[in-house]
Amino acid sequence: GAVVSQHPSRVICKSGTSVKIECRSLDFQATTMFWYRQFPKQSLMLMATSNEGSKATYEQGVEKDKFLINHASLTLSTLTVTSAHPEDSSFYICSTTPPAGGPGGRNEQFFGPGTRLTVL
Amino acid sequence: DAKTTQPPSMDCAEGRAANLPCNHSTISGNEYVYWYRQIHSQGPQYIIHGLKNNETNEMASLIITEDRKSSTLILPHATLRDTAVYYCIVRVTGGGNKLTFGTGTQLKVEL
Repeated sequence: GAVVSQHPSRVICKSGTSVKIECRSLDFQATTMFWYRQFPKQSLMLMATSNEGSKATYEQGVEKDKFLINHASLTLSTLTVTSAHPEDSSFYICSTTPPAGGPGGRNEQFFGPGTRLTVL
Repeated sequence: DAKTTQPPSMDCAEGRAANLPCNHSTISGNEYVYWYRQIHSQGPQYIIHGLKNNETNEMASLIITEDRKSSTLILPHATLRDTAVYYCIVRVTGGGNKLTFGTGTQLKVEL
């Protein structure tokens, strides 16, 4: 299946610093990527939809100025957590869908392995 | 997208079939049933999906009731590596491809 990578896999930072997380689609060009956040023992929550060449669309309650998303190429989207605080500690996961629905038109989403962010 | 209801947890003996139920009583005619699973500290993985016919692939089978208000994911011979949270998601295809995750079912496969 298609591969989506994330970097870094784990990051620890001090409160007040900014952290950039990269999401790469390795097998196909991704015009749209999704960013999710998952707190311990909870489900995934969609944060935003990243669109190549245009502004990201944020879900209700997600601060666009705090979670900066850049989708400058068809294979790379970045999420920057600005001025991170301990409450931003979470598991961040990106995903994307191949063009035309992918194999068999399944419209499945391929997820990255996730980035564990810990803010001290 | 329609809301789904799943039991919070289930146990299954290794080698036995795991049957995971999902209720989606408000499903619309153009909405598909998708199943994903998430092994601990990993990204979710697609398993299977269907509209109204039963489906089978190398991972699992999906049984959808005739009224489409519920479905069952079947792992025919569960192994320890199938221990994961299983998410049943109802959505239209191409609807922005957004996925709305519920709480899922934590399946624990034991010896």
